[in-house]
Amino acid sequence: AQSVSQHNHHVILSEAASLELGCNYSYGGTVNLFWYVQYPGQHLQLLLKYFSGDPLVKGIKGFEAEFIKSKFSFNLRKPSVQWSDTAEYFCAVNRNAGKSTFGDGTTLTVKP
Amino acid sequence: DAGVIQSPRHEVTEMGQEVTLRCKPISGHNSLFWYRQTMMRGLELLIYFNNNVPIDDSGMPEDRFSAKMPNASFSTLKIQPSEPRDSAVYFCASSREGNGYTFGSGTRLTVV
Repeated sequence: AQSVSQHNHHVILSEAASLELGCNYSYGGTVNLFWYVQYPGQHLQLLLKYFSGDPLVKGIKGFEAEFIKSKFSFNLRKPSVQWSDTAEYFCAVNRNAGKSTFGDGTTLTVKP
Repeated sequence: DAGVIQSPRHEVTEMGQEVTLRCKPISGHNSLFWYRQTMMRGLELLIYFNNNVPIDDSGMPEDRFSAKMPNASFSTLKIQPSEPRDSAVYFCASSREGNGYTFGSGTRLTVV
């Protein structure tokens, strides 16, 4: 069965620190990859997505993610986090149709 | 576009009562998903529809839960009878052909 692993359950950073959240998936075929963000008390929102082409994709709010096919990874990065980035981040994988498989999420706390 | 619309936003009900949650997906999206989110269990997929047909209901906890999608613009999730352990935030999401999900704002259900 397809699975998505997010290695860090909780990450705590100070403002201006760099961020990298890990995401690995188990499926070997063609996949679409996503990162979602859920701010406290809100719903999940799409942050960025990868379907094909340039493996480095840029999303909203300065986030980017890199698809490394050989490592089955799609890590999320941001050079300098802000307090407002405090949220839960979910990685998701979709096999071109049907449902996405979500990771368990990583809670990011940014200290001011 | 108004996005995915869920109602009600909040629901407080007594144990044993019937609860109906409603969702209007984005026009043109052909897949609809019902999720439940709690602190203990995280984000759980309950059921998803493709072109109004239920495809996977393996996440529905038990027979007390049922979902329908009578047309492309409306879906309901019903719990009958409700129990305190059903308390959670229920999210509806829609997507088109394996693209990213758009989530509704959720229904916060409290069963007392």
